[in-house]
Amino acid sequence: EVQLLESGGGLVQPGGSLRLSCAASGFTFSSYAMSWVRQAPGKGLEWVSVISGSGGSTYYADSVKGRFTISRDSSKNTLYLQMNSLRAEDTAVYYCAKGGNSGYDYIDYWGQGTLVIVSS
Amino acid sequence: SYELTQPPSMSVSPGQTASITCSGDKLGDKYACWYQQKPGQSPVLVIYQDNKRPSGIPERFSGSNSGNTATLTISGTQAMDEADYYCQAWDSSTVVFGGGTKLTVL
Repeated sequence: EVQLLESGGGLVQPGGSLRLSCAASGFTFSSYAMSWVRQAPGKGLEWVSVISGSGGSTYYADSVKGRFTISRDSSKNTLYLQMNSLRAEDTAVYYCAKGGNSGYDYIDYWGQGTLVIVSS
Repeated sequence: SYELTQPPSMSVSPGQTASITCSGDKLGDKYACWYQQKPGQSPVLVIYQDNKRPSGIPERFSGSNSGNTATLTISGTQAMDEADYYCQAWDSSTVVFGGGTKLTVL
């Protein structure tokens, strides 16, 4: 059974930093792309970033480019999102998500999400 | 940047067919997928690669994609299908979501 367990969310001041983690189990972690997707309160889904199975390719939404960094550690089956220079508009539930068999075109499993609140 | 457009809301009577559209430039040249999200829950994949159903998704969910429009069809809609639905595609190294459609079953 695929399980994705996010952690690291919380309250942070504007301009601050936070690192999210996602512990994955139930599949061969290094074989699949992994994404972060966020959802602001009462809003729709917004893609944040994706990383290839090998970790060699990363892509970002324009809204976070240069501020967020996605990475993965296959020895720990863990996905990360380093978030710097946080803004109020980054407030959201952040979901860790597993890519499907064909790469980047769909997500087949989602975690429960971790809430990030950026506020003074 | 690429955009996907969905109607914000729609309603359907129980037992009827709901068709939710997702529009984007030449969307038919890409793969489209659909997610269902109920209040307080994480999204669930209901259709991928235009028309494939993941294991465990009822047969009443189907999809199509041609031209500029992808469509999620729910046949014999049930009360449990009331949810937000999001389309998604991959374009130019970015994942793009539609704005979501709130489906009300009444």
